[in-house]
Amino acid sequence: DAKTTQPTSMDCAEGRAANLPCNHSTISGNEYVYWYRQIHSQGPQYIIHGLKNNETNEMASLIITEDRKSSTLILPHATLRDTAVYYCIVRLTGNQFYFGTGTSLTVIP
Amino acid sequence: GAVVSQHPSWVICKSGTSVKIECRSLDFQATTMFWYRQFPKQSLMLMATSNEGSKATYEQGVEKDKFLINHASLTLSTLTVTSAHPEDSSFYICSAISPAGTNEKLFFGSGTQLSVL
Repeated sequence: DAKTTQPTSMDCAEGRAANLPCNHSTISGNEYVYWYRQIHSQGPQYIIHGLKNNETNEMASLIITEDRKSSTLILPHATLRDTAVYYCIVRLTGNQFYFGTGTSLTVIP
Repeated sequence: GAVVSQHPSWVICKSGTSVKIECRSLDFQATTMFWYRQFPKQSLMLMATSNEGSKATYEQGVEKDKFLINHASLTLSTLTVTSAHPEDSSFYICSAISPAGTNEKLFFGSGTQLSVL
């Protein structure tokens, strides 16, 4: 599975959109991009995933570039409860999920 | 989303004893479950892939005789830390895939904090 690169940490003002980038320049054509988040001392929570098209659900939007070498997770209106570590994972269907170092997002009041 | 239940949430044990952690998929059948461990301020490290009805597949560097995995049914996988030592103290998290196929998602239990004295 392709490796991902994410910034170590980010801050975002409460109520503003949080844009979390992820680079996956070695992604292959059949690999999906997944996003998870982990609040301290809890199991990770699924957020969203996609292959080529942009995706949106009740939690977030996923924007994947046309060449698929990078993506951005967007939390449209960040709240204090969105403070967490966000993990971007690239994975082939049927393979394991390997977690990288993730981005520690702090939402500031 | 699908629910994965993990028990116990925390356990304290003496060095040399064995500890069993249970992971259940409550509202779906999981042919594949994964076990992770996480040290403070670090990311999740995949330990093994648990397959229903067959032997688990361990990641490189994970001792299969120390971390026994049993996946006897489609809704239950167990991890037994045998002869635990203080260096085994960690946060252990199980997960299960649902549904199978291109829309696969990984759902996690709430984790087990193991402290070995």
